[in-house]
Amino acid sequence: SYELTQPPSVSVSPGQTARITCSADALPKQYAYWYQQKPGQAPVLVIYKDSERPSGIPERFSGSSSGTTVTLTISGVQAEDEADYYCQSADSSGTYLWVFGGGTKLTVL
Amino acid sequence: EVQLVESGGGLIQPGGSLRLSCAASGFTVSSNYMSWVRQAPGKGLEWVSVIYSGGSTYYADSVKGRFTISRDNSKNTLYLQMNSLRAEDTAVYYCARVSRDGYNPWGQGTLVTVSS
Repeated sequence: SYELTQPPSVSVSPGQTARITCSADALPKQYAYWYQQKPGQAPVLVIYKDSERPSGIPERFSGSSSGTTVTLTISGVQAEDEADYYCQSADSSGTYLWVFGGGTKLTVL
Repeated sequence: EVQLVESGGGLIQPGGSLRLSCAASGFTVSSNYMSWVRQAPGKGLEWVSVIYSGGSTYYADSVKGRFTISRDNSKNTLYLQMNSLRAEDTAVYYCARVSRDGYNPWGQGTLVTVSS
């Protein structure tokens, strides 16, 4: 199997910058995607192709990639950003095309 | 507006069958890759299945041989036929449109509970 590794939780105060990482061997070769999920709601795409932001997603959400790690950065965190965040990618061989990370709970203190 | 609406979830006994539906509006299901993703209570997202625009289908090992993804072009609807259901299949099931720009949009989800 192929795994994407995320920290279980990240905590920040309002106005600070939150960084959520996702690590896997194939990330230098495969795009990563990020989804936000609030309690009781469906996931929402917030970053695609490592660093692209869909229309309607606030500019404070950004993505970056370095080696085997991709990072979702939320600048100037707001209370409404408290949610679970999942990364998604594929393995290098194409065997596992649609894999999700275990998710990171972002808590706004 | 691009939208997906799932239906068909419910309480089912172990070993039973259920068919989930995902009605699409604002785009054509058959021209897109479409996927099912599930989320067990309190757990993370788990990819279940995908159907390509050309008709090829793929499944997670956990459901292979028991679940079948399909679509009805005339109804612009995606389906997931689930047979031989197990307690571990209990989850909210989401459908989503898939592209190189990610899974977008997602439906609101439908809850499947497998219990006696």
